[in-house]
Amino acid sequence: DADVTQTPRNRITKTGKRIMLECSQTKGHDRMYWYRQDPGLGLRLIYYSFDVKDINKGEISDGYSVSRQAQAKFSLSLESAIPNQTALYFCATRSSTGNTEAFFGQGTRLTVV
Amino acid sequence: EDQVTQSPEALRLQEGESSSLNCSYTVSGLRGLFWYRQDPGKGPEFLFTLYSAGEEKEKERLKATLTKKESFLHITAPKPEDSATYLCAVQAPEGADGLTFGKGTHLIIQP
Repeated sequence: DADVTQTPRNRITKTGKRIMLECSQTKGHDRMYWYRQDPGLGLRLIYYSFDVKDINKGEISDGYSVSRQAQAKFSLSLESAIPNQTALYFCATRSSTGNTEAFFGQGTRLTVV
Repeated sequence: EDQVTQSPEALRLQEGESSSLNCSYTVSGLRGLFWYRQDPGKGPEFLFTLYSAGEEKEKERLKATLTKKESFLHITAPKPEDSATYLCAVQAPEGADGLTFGKGTHLIIQP
């Protein structure tokens, strides 16, 4: 089983709909992240969470919200999806001990039509 | 603001033809530079972390090096299975978190 699991893997939704992307990890790490990847722009940080009670905005948080339901679960919501939110979304996790590497999920491909 | 620039954007090599990928960075106090490999339709896979100028790390045909302004990923005698997009990223400054990524180098190794 993957250390970081994202659901769904693919999703097509309509403009204006609310959608939630889910992420769970079995690494036992306290920090979790959401990134989006667009062709030609690379990966950009949306939100990050130090622990269940500590959530912070990243570079591109407008139009998104997150919820840290447990140490192992971190979900990303688009309250009212718009076409320019079409992208590949990645969840990641890492330990807070030192500047260690992050482990990424397989990604969710979201298309907003 | 942290900046990471990777070059070239794309590179096509013959099997066995060694080369290097470049990652230039601008940060206020480097807390870690990371190399990842990404295959199509998959999440980034960790390769190396470098923390200080002069540091080098190796894994199979890959070797990562670091100076005060840039990092290189050297690929020696590559094989077709080394074809992927290679991503460089820097750790956020103290008080923040997350990675700032470059746009990646798309590497193709032809048999």
